[in-house]
Amino acid sequence: AQSVTQPDIHITVSEGASLELRCNYSYGATPYLFWYVQSPGQGLQLLLKYFSGDTLVQGIKGFEAEFKRSQSSFNLRKPSVHWSDAAEYFCAVGARRGGATNKLIFGTGTLLAVQP
Amino acid sequence: DTAVSQTPKYLVTQMGNDKSIKCEQNLGHDTMYWYKQDSKKFLKIMFSYNNKELIINETVPNRFSPKSPDKAHLNLHINSLELGDSAVYFCASSQAYLRGPSTDTQYFGPGTRLTVL
Repeated sequence: AQSVTQPDIHITVSEGASLELRCNYSYGATPYLFWYVQSPGQGLQLLLKYFSGDTLVQGIKGFEAEFKRSQSSFNLRKPSVHWSDAAEYFCAVGARRGGATNKLIFGTGTLLAVQP
Repeated sequence: DTAVSQTPKYLVTQMGNDKSIKCEQNLGHDTMYWYKQDSKKFLKIMFSYNNKELIINETVPNRFSPKSPDKAHLNLHINSLELGDSAVYFCASSQAYLRGPSTDTQYFGPGTRLTVL
């Protein structure tokens, strides 16, 4: 079955520290992978995506993610966290039918808190 | 300019009522979606439309009826509201269906928080 697992429900880091949010997926074909961020009371903003090619993808706000097929993972990283990064982060896989993504399957999210 | 907009942002209503949520996108996209985010923040697809045609109906109760008057709009009508319908409903859109991965990125609206009392 298609699924996305985010093992960490809640993470707290200090401002300026590095960050890694974990994401594991289960999907029968080559996955299309996404990371979205949701600030309190806001919608979902796309951080980055992976479709094919270079397995290290760069996104907005200084985030990057690495696709590792052997580990079925797509972890999100940032070298130095800012207080404004405090938010909920969602990993998603694009489920496809007939070659097109017809829905996103989301993980349960990781809530990031940033300490001063 | 807001790319994907939803109205209203908040909706509080009594059980048994009928309500609608509207979604509009000005991105020129062909495909639109409704997702439900429950109280635990879990997001799940409900419907998707491509050029006004229903693609996905993800085992949603038939009290929920999406309507797409044109490809820029996808509204969600809910009949006989129940307590369990309380959630945040997100509309999203993507460029095109069946045209490859570069067009598959979904852009989300700000959400509508529905509270059923």
